[in-house]
Amino acid sequence: ETGVTQTPRHLVMGMTNKKSLKCEQHLGHNAMYWYKQSAKKPLELMFVYNFKEQTENNSVPSRFSPECPNSSHLFLHLHTLQPEDSALYLCASSQDGRVGSEAFFGQGTRLTVV
Amino acid sequence: AQSVTQPDIHITVSEGASLELRCNYSYGATPYLFWYVQSPGQGLQLLLKYFSGDTLVQGIKGFEAEFKRSQSSFNLRKPSVHWSDAAEYFCAVGSYSGGGADGLTFGKGTHLIIQP
Repeated sequence: ETGVTQTPRHLVMGMTNKKSLKCEQHLGHNAMYWYKQSAKKPLELMFVYNFKEQTENNSVPSRFSPECPNSSHLFLHLHTLQPEDSALYLCASSQDGRVGSEAFFGQGTRLTVV
Repeated sequence: AQSVTQPDIHITVSEGASLELRCNYSYGATPYLFWYVQSPGQGLQLLLKYFSGDTLVQGIKGFEAEFKRSQSSFNLRKPSVHWSDAAEYFCAVGSYSGGGADGLTFGKGTHLIIQP
């Protein structure tokens, strides 16, 4: 248990569905991240939030929409996804976003788009 | 832009044998380097990190890594592996732009298999 909890652990959705992934951390951290982990590819940084402000968006398609209502919660809203979006989505948090602060990862949400 | 190369996709080691996982990075300045481990169905756990100072870094679970600037490498080692070490290992490099939170750049990972 790392203190970062992701729900759901598994999600199957059709291409016309709308769903949301949730991430919650109880570590008192101020920075939160979404990563995408696909087979045979490196982890891809998707979004970064620092003190609830989005500081990075790595050219992610608009069908992925993040939301950070407070420093403890991070959402990833999904709509009209494609089969190639099937992957493990990992949430992470760190104390204050500086590279020196350790990132703690959740267990991920395994997403399958059918 | 920084990048990380882990040249070995799979490595098989006998239990009790020594281990070395390779990592090469590309980064213009002094890098911040990390090794993470991912067990099946789990998130990533930090094994160790290097920022500055002693180039030999000790981590959890008996792992260590050595930073070699001349070779742009940060290889992970363990003198004697245990069956529980079977997992995916990721090397990562971090940058600091001074503008706030920065994510890490990861290698593709090395899958470690332990033979009995």
